[in-house]
Amino acid sequence: EAQVTQNPRYLITVTGKKLTVTCSQNMNHEYMSWYRQDPGLGLRQIYYSMNVEVTDKGDVPEGYKVSRKEKRNFPLILESPSPNQTSLYFCASTSVHRGFYEQYFGPGTRLTVT
Amino acid sequence: GESVGLHLPTLSVQEGDNSIINCAYSNSASDYFIWYKQESGKGPQFIIDIRSNMDKRQGQRVTVLLNKTVKHLSLQIAATQPGDSAVYFCAEKRPGNQFYFGTGTSLTVIP
Repeated sequence: EAQVTQNPRYLITVTGKKLTVTCSQNMNHEYMSWYRQDPGLGLRQIYYSMNVEVTDKGDVPEGYKVSRKEKRNFPLILESPSPNQTSLYFCASTSVHRGFYEQYFGPGTRLTVT
Repeated sequence: GESVGLHLPTLSVQEGDNSIINCAYSNSASDYFIWYKQESGKGPQFIIDIRSNMDKRQGQRVTVLLNKTVKHLSLQIAATQPGDSAVYFCAEKRPGNQFYFGTGTSLTVIP
């Protein structure tokens, strides 16, 4: 079954404590992304990666890091989380074919930073 | 800054009627658009997409229309069913493979 998995699904942490949210896909997609979703703001792209070792900033990259050491995994790293990073995070894996992009989203990670 | 927006935050329709959800975008360089459906507690689900060189694209019970002149995108759902109740987002791809989402329209289907 084609899927995108994220872990953990829920996380409560304290300001400044480094954390990593993992994302894995089994569809052999080259393009992967991280989004955050906040009420009234929709989804905003944090970082994206077009291939292994290739990452680019999205709309709201401040305070986040990513890495893409292998095609299937795209972890999101918060080196020093702050309360304004409390949000719902989605990882997406994207199939790109002839100019069409079909994004498959993970189930989401709800992060609370106190 | 530029942003993708929606005309209506909520929409209620009778079961069996057609639904139309609208979206305005402001970046004329955007070359690709997608509609997503998001049910409570789940990630967005791809519905249908359209490239900027197209005016219309049809799927199963859904049609996307693109009017580049006025920078407007719409999603039409035929014979709306209770299972269509969800939040619908439009998204645009700007040059550089970056995606921007609208804030969403909540569709409620009345049985």
